[in-house]
Amino acid sequence: AQTVTQSQPEMSVQEAETVTLSCTYDTSESNYYLFWYKQPPSRQMILVIRQEAYKQQNATENRFSVNFQKAAKSFSLKISDSQLGDTAMYFCALEYGNKLVFGAGTILRVKS
Amino acid sequence: GAVVSQHPSRVICKSGTSVKIECRSLDFQATTMFWYRQFPKKSLMLMATSNEGSKATYEQGVEKDKFLINHASLTLSTLTVTSAHPEDSSFYICSVQRTGGFDGYTFGSGTRLTVV
Repeated sequence: AQTVTQSQPEMSVQEAETVTLSCTYDTSESNYYLFWYKQPPSRQMILVIRQEAYKQQNATENRFSVNFQKAAKSFSLKISDSQLGDTAMYFCALEYGNKLVFGAGTILRVKS
Repeated sequence: GAVVSQHPSRVICKSGTSVKIECRSLDFQATTMFWYRQFPKKSLMLMATSNEGSKATYEQGVEKDKFLINHASLTLSTLTVTSAHPEDSSFYICSVQRTGGFDGYTFGSGTRLTVV
């Protein structure tokens, strides 16, 4: 079975600081995709960043970067220079068999 | 990127009635669409995979007769909640997958269903 675990239900960070959200997963597939999605209070799901499992280089999108450790099945998200607009629920997701499996989510609050 | 329109954004219906939610892919043809259910501050739970021109594939535990899915064209999938009850109240989200999973999935803006 494919599972995704986010062990931090809630986190807070001061504006302009850096925060890291944790995600671990389990899969028997050798190639797969991993995603981080953001769901702000509007509840619109927004793709933050994605990673192909066969690529060793960590993905980066502006202030967002990941630390992908394939052997450890870990996929953490680092947000640098946090902004108030980053306040949202963040979901880690694993794609397998053309389906997405989501973690439980982490509520991130950015404080001014 | 892909644009997905979901309608209505919120609906209130009486217990025992049926409600239809539409999910449209506006800028590309989608052979596969997905329907999720989300409770407040919880994760998205996949309900079913909607396949154009064929029957939907439901996840274990999802009642096929209660949640009817129709994917009659490459740009439209509908979810009908039949004989709705208060426990069906939830946030329903559709998503569309572009050909090639690496592009990820684009989500509709969701529908908040309240059954009274």
